Amino acid sequence: AQSVTQLDSQVPVFEEAPVELRCNYSSSVSVYLFWYVQYPNQGLQLLLKYLSGSTLVESINGFEAEFNKSQTSFHLRKPSVHISDTAEYFCARSYTGGFKTIFGAGTRLFVKA
Amino acid sequence: DVKVTQSSRYLVKRTGEKVFLECVQDMDHENMFWYRQDPGLGLRLIYFSYDVKMKEKGDIPEGYSVSREKKERFSLILESASTNQTSMYLCASRGQTDTDTQYFGPGTRLTVL
Repeated sequence: AQSVTQLDSQVPVFEEAPVELRCNYSSSVSVYLFWYVQYPNQGLQLLLKYLSGSTLVESINGFEAEFNKSQTSFHLRKPSVHISDTAEYFCARSYTGGFKTIFGAGTRLFVKA
Repeated sequence: DVKVTQSSRYLVKRTGEKVFLECVQDMDHENMFWYRQDPGLGLRLIYFSYDVKMKEKGDIPEGYSVSREKKERFSLILESASTNQTSMYLCASRGQTDTDTQYFGPGTRLTVL
């Protein structure tokens, strides 16, 4: 079965420190990978996605994720976090011919001053 | 600006009541989805619809039904609410292809007493 595993349920970090949120997916012939972010009391919104081509994808607010096929991972990184990055982050995947998007359990990022 | 709206942000109902949650999107999307979000479990798909009057069961359809009479509107129905249906409910819509982004509403927090 298709699956997405987020390895950390909570990640506390100090402001301006680097952060990595880990995501692994079950292997598949074709896979599309997404990171969504949910700020407090809001719905989810897309942060970035990998469809094909360059394995490194970036968001407009400084996050990046690298598609690693051999390790079936799609970890999210930011070199220096801000208080405003406090949110829950969801890794997700879809695949060719599938209607469904499969979400991980989420990682709650808490940035401390 | 794309928009998915949900009829209520907070809802309190009693056990056995019939509950309607409504979702409207303004992006002319074919696909619409209902998820429930619970801590530590991420998003779980209840039902989705790929066209007017078409619906498919997701991973946890028991106790729920849906209706899609118009393209822009997708309703989730709890025929007889139970306490284990207390949760956050998220609606989303998506274009035709598997690589498209899902757009989420703000969510409805349902409490069943």
